[in-house]
Amino acid sequence: DAGVTQSPTHLIKTRGQQVTLRCSPKSGHDTVSWYQQALGQGPQFIFQYYEEEERQRGNFPDRFSGHQFPNYSSELNVNALLLGDSALYLCASNRGVGLSYNEQFFGPGTRLTVL
Amino acid sequence: QQQVKQSPQSLIVQKGGISIINCAYENTAFDYFPWYQQFPGKGPALLIAIRPDVSEKKEGRFTISFNKSAKQFSLHIMDSQPGDSATYFCAASRAHYQLIWGAGTKLIIKP
Repeated sequence: DAGVTQSPTHLIKTRGQQVTLRCSPKSGHDTVSWYQQALGQGPQFIFQYYEEEERQRGNFPDRFSGHQFPNYSSELNVNALLLGDSALYLCASNRGVGLSYNEQFFGPGTRLTVL
Repeated sequence: QQQVKQSPQSLIVQKGGISIINCAYENTAFDYFPWYQQFPGKGPALLIAIRPDVSEKKEGRFTISFNKSAKQFSLHIMDSQPGDSATYFCAASRAHYQLIWGAGTKLIIKP
């Protein structure tokens, strides 16, 4: 049973560029959340997707956008990259309903470096 | 009211000792309290979680103690091992809302 997978593992971009990160949820999960984790800090919630719709959003600018596909996989897009966007980007998945609905499982993350 | 306050920021424990990390919350609507373990460069791994209808949950060497009236919960790691050295995060959430995270505790187990 595959867990949450993310690609790519590492990415280096320059300021002003755009980036797309990908996530496949754990088998049986239909909800995907994205987090940004700066070095030495806790994860910061970006947004959550359920049934292909953005259900919740954290305090991130519109440069951060996402998408969820019918197979529940998801993409995170960041436009006009800034140096401050350098971080570990984490994807988490959970079941949208049921007793364990908020048990989130995380992928290994994508390390984004903006130069 | 949305914050989760975690302490200590860092902790050094001798091998075989008990590691204790504490968290406090304000929002009484929270109904799910997980603990995550994170190694450098890796994603957080769900360690153990509790809901407010029980006061304690134990899984192996890991125990969550939950005090609903004090709005506090803690993680106890018994017989701490060097392999437990990691950063630990508490979190809280309600219904289908986002996880609210503590600031993390860097745990070092000395051999």
